[in-house]
Amino acid sequence: ETAVFQTPNYHVTQVGNEVSFNCKQTLGHDTMYWYKQDSKKLLKIMFSYNNKQLIVNETVPRRFSPQSSDKAHLNLRIKSVEPEDSAVYLCASRVHWGSQNTLYFGAGTRLSVL
Amino acid sequence: SQWGEENLQALSIQEGEDVTMNCSYKTYTTVVQWYRQKSGKGPAQLILIRSNEREKRSGRLRATLDTSSQSSSLSITGTLATDTAVYFCAYDTNAYKVIFGKGTHLHVLP
Repeated sequence: ETAVFQTPNYHVTQVGNEVSFNCKQTLGHDTMYWYKQDSKKLLKIMFSYNNKQLIVNETVPRRFSPQSSDKAHLNLRIKSVEPEDSAVYLCASRVHWGSQNTLYFGAGTRLSVL
Repeated sequence: SQWGEENLQALSIQEGEDVTMNCSYKTYTTVVQWYRQKSGKGPAQLILIRSNEREKRSGRLRATLDTSSQSSSLSITGTLATDTAVYFCAYDTNAYKVIFGKGTHLHVLP
């Protein structure tokens, strides 16, 4: 049962354009994440947010900027995309408290930069 | 890297065979999770094992965790073609950062 929703599913764009991806979770979780998955399926954490606050910001180029309006939404904007930004961007959420470690992922947004 | 190199693998087996996937990690943790990712979907958790459990079973799955050697394994018995997927181990480095291993590409032939 899907509870983390990502839009769009696919996006094709050209070098230098700006793109935005959206993520919404209906699980009532307080922590959300963006991961980047490359063509070899390697998953790298980019950002994590807790209750709209940026907590983790990995070594990510400045053209990437996450935005959170509330704890259920986390968006990702990429200004001036580069060819190496082609990847699948996965959003995830979980609760921060207690022993609930499980991450719940969306289906991802596949970005192709021409 | 926070993971051992053996975490990256591609396996091709026949349906009905058993398979074990391993991962080793370099940073202390008390919890290891295993996820499965099918084509076109996000990863989904299969099993979570804590350091005080050493072994955990769920249906055809069995996970182990050895914190002294910083390694974990996931075994699947009686594989099915539908088990074809990429399998990841993962652990928390802190409350807000979950690191994923390189993944094992498992292909189960019918």
